[in-house]
Amino acid sequence: DQQVKQNSPSLSVQEGRISILNCDYTNSMFDYFLWYKKYPAEGPTFLISISSIKDKNEDGRFTVFLNKSAKHLSLHIVPSQPGDSAVYFCAPTGGGADGLTFGKGTHLIIQP
Amino acid sequence: DAGITQSPRHKVTETGTPVTLRCHQTENHRYMYWYRQDPGHGLRLIHYSYGVKDTDKGEVSDGYSVSRSKTEDFLLTLESATSSQTSVYFCAISDRDRGRTEAFFGQGTRLTVV
Repeated sequence: DQQVKQNSPSLSVQEGRISILNCDYTNSMFDYFLWYKKYPAEGPTFLISISSIKDKNEDGRFTVFLNKSAKHLSLHIVPSQPGDSAVYFCAPTGGGADGLTFGKGTHLIIQP
Repeated sequence: DAGITQSPRHKVTETGTPVTLRCHQTENHRYMYWYRQDPGHGLRLIHYSYGVKDTDKGEVSDGYSVSRSKTEDFLLTLESATSSQTSVYFCAISDRDRGRTEAFFGQGTRLTVV
């Protein structure tokens, strides 16, 4: 059973507009939520994270929102740029040694 | 960039042959992970290690074994490769001992089993 769901396999956004990527989870033990970005033929790179004690974390153009009661988080990118075109993975963790649980990813395409 | 090197980067092997993938780190992190990435599945954990000779199974461990005889090296072995193990394999390291939750990934190994 999927613990982490990214229900949009792909998302197309115009350059300069806001991109919103969503993630839902079922495991109440998750207490830290990470987003990774992946380009083709490269390893995933860490983008931004949020602790379960917060509801928002911002880093430049990237903001992550967490709604614990709904078990939902979202990544906002504004303004979207061509270099943001990549696959984005939601990856929460419960702090155990087994690390991160990944969603299936959302392929973000930024249109010029 | 975190000092993680995966080798080989690409490999084609025949069904039934053993294959070993290597992950080498220069960060001295205790935690190391092997994931596989397949279309429609995201990244799935195969095995992980929390110290020398300390390893455990992940979500998709069947058909795989690992060894960690040194802090810097984490080996993934396919005892008898099957076509279903054709995938891209990623190694990751994490500095959880300092309270860091993020993992840093290698460039990946593309394995094709024919």
